[in-house]
Amino acid sequence: AQKVTQAQTEISVVEKEDVTLDCVYETRDTTYYLFWYKQPPSGELVFLIRRNSFDEQNEISGRYSWNFQKSTSSFNFTITASQVVDSAVYFCALLNNAGNMLTFGGGTRLMVKP
Amino acid sequence: DTGVSQDPRHKITKRGQNVTFRCDPISEHNRLYWYRQTLGQGPEFLTYFQNEAQLEKSRLLSDRFSAERPKGSFSTLEIQRTEQGDSAMYLCASSPPMGAASYNEQFFGPGTRLTVL
Repeated sequence: AQKVTQAQTEISVVEKEDVTLDCVYETRDTTYYLFWYKQPPSGELVFLIRRNSFDEQNEISGRYSWNFQKSTSSFNFTITASQVVDSAVYFCALLNNAGNMLTFGGGTRLMVKP
Repeated sequence: DTGVSQDPRHKITKRGQNVTFRCDPISEHNRLYWYRQTLGQGPEFLTYFQNEAQLEKSRLLSDRFSAERPKGSFSTLEIQRTEQGDSAMYLCASSPPMGAASYNEQFFGPGTRLTVL
């Protein structure tokens, strides 16, 4: 069985602060993919990043960066210099080896105040 | 390139009624998924189709739920004798076939929000 845990249910920061969203996962698969999605108030899930289990290189995309550590089964997401538009619920998800089922964490609600 | 579309976007129904939702995947995507998201939770997997074949079903998909994808294109999700606990957002996603660059990515639609009174 797969499991994704996002221990932080809600985070509040002031604009321009850096913020890290934690994600810990469990799986018996040796090959898998990890994802982060953003869900703004409109409700649609917006894809942010995909990382496969063989690639532990950290990735940076603008103000976003991701830290994948297989040894601790973690895939954390950092937003640098947060902005009000970053306010949303963020989900970490794990795709099984068969590629037919995403397991989502409970989500972290990020509120960025001006 | 149009994305995944779902219809209706909102549905309000009375307990005991039947409802049906439709999902149109991105064209040429042969894989289709249904998820349910209740308030304050992450989406939960319901079922998976590859072409017209339903290959995976979650235990969450009770006997009152049925999903079809008759021609391997659009899909429908029907809930019979709705209960208040069925109130949720129902999300559809699709993926391209093996060999595509984004093979392991699921593209989500805007969802259908169901409210059962």
